[in-house]
Order: sequence, then structure tokens, then C-alpha cells
Amino acid sequence: GQNIDQPTEMTATEGAIVQINCTYQTSGFNGLFWYQQHAGEAPTFLSYNVLDGLEEKGRFSSFLSRSKGYSYLLLKELQMKDSASYLCAVSDSNYQLIWGAGTKLIIKP
Amino acid sequence: IAGITQAPTSQILAAGRRMTLRCTQDMRHNAMYWYRQDLGLGLRLIHYSNTAGTTGKGEVPDGYSVSRANTDDFPLTLASAVPSQTSVYFCASSESGALNEQFFGPGTRLTVL
Repeated sequence: GQNIDQPTEMTATEGAIVQINCTYQTSGFNGLFWYQQHAGEAPTFLSYNVLDGLEEKGRFSSFLSRSKGYSYLLLKELQMKDSASYLCAVSDSNYQLIWGAGTKLIIKP
Repeated sequence: IAGITQAPTSQILAAGRRMTLRCTQDMRHNAMYWYRQDLGLGLRLIHYSNTAGTTGKGEVPDGYSVSRANTDDFPLTLASAVPSQTSVYFCASSESGALNEQFFGPGTRLTVL
């Protein structure tokens, strides 16, 4: 079957750096997405990786290793507004997104 | 309208009733999707449409139907609601296919009693 694994919850301190990991086993691979979802709101797009390596976008970076079925989202200079759930999703061989359950990130002052 | 809208925002429904959740986008996106989100589970795809006039089944299509008569609208119908369909429903759209960023509506919180 297809599977996306992420930690359920993580805690970090304001101003620090946090890395959220995602491992996947899917039938085919056509790219990996990260979305942010604040409580009670809709998911919003953060990043897309289809080739191995690091993609940097401001305070957020996303890394992909296709051979290891692994990605991480790196958040730097954490702010209280970064408290949210972070969703990992993989586009499979049918170009459908398979979603992880999300990682709830709690930021403490 | 700006982006993608859903109606109603929330609804309490008696089991066995028919319900249509509405979704409209004004971005002229070709592809549209319906997901349900349940606590502890990832978003699960119910149905999708790659272009107006076509629809397809996702991971959890049973008990749901969709139509795509035009580019903008993608309603989701529960023919006879059951308590297991209690969930938050998100509609999304993308320019074309699942390699593009998906834009999500605000969601509909549905409770079936």
C-alpha cells in the first residue's frame, strides 16, 4: 500500500530552527509537496520538490532524497505564527496526491 | 468571488438525508478536487475532475457523487448521509493535474447524526 509518515507533533522555541521529516512509500513518484495548515483553516502551499536536493524559499527550505524516499521541511528563525500543522504529500503514478496525517508544530516563547 | 469558495460553512444533517456541498472557483483552473479531513488521518481524495465534463474516483468515493458541468463549479453530493461521513470537507483546484499547486477552499464542517 501507499504510505506517508510524519511525526504527529513537535515543539520548538521561538527564534530557533526545526526540521520536520517525511518518509514515503508510494506507487510511483511525481513530486513531493509541503503545505501549511493553521487550525481551523485550509491548507496553503509551501513547496514542491521533484529533483533531489534542497529548495530554499525565505525562512523555509525543503529537501528531497528520492532514493531514500525521504524529505524534510526546515523552518528557520521560528515565529509564533509558524504554529500550525505541516502536511507532506506525494504525487503518485496516477498523479494523485497521497497525504500524510500532518505534523502539528507548537512554538513556545 | 476571490479564489475558491465553499458553502455551507457548516451543517448538521440527519442520517439518511441528501446533501450537496457547493464549490466555486474563479481562477479558471482546469482541475478540481474534493477531500475529506478527519482527525489523525491525512487528507483523503473523494473525487476529482481534470477538466470540465470529466470526473474520476479518488481513494474514498463510496457514498459520494460529483458533477462538473462547467469550469467553475464542482458540487459534491451525499445521496443518503451516514454518521461516518461526519468530517471536514475541502474543495481544491489547480491549473492542471496534481503537479501544480492546489488552492483550497475554506472547508465545510459536516456533522451527520
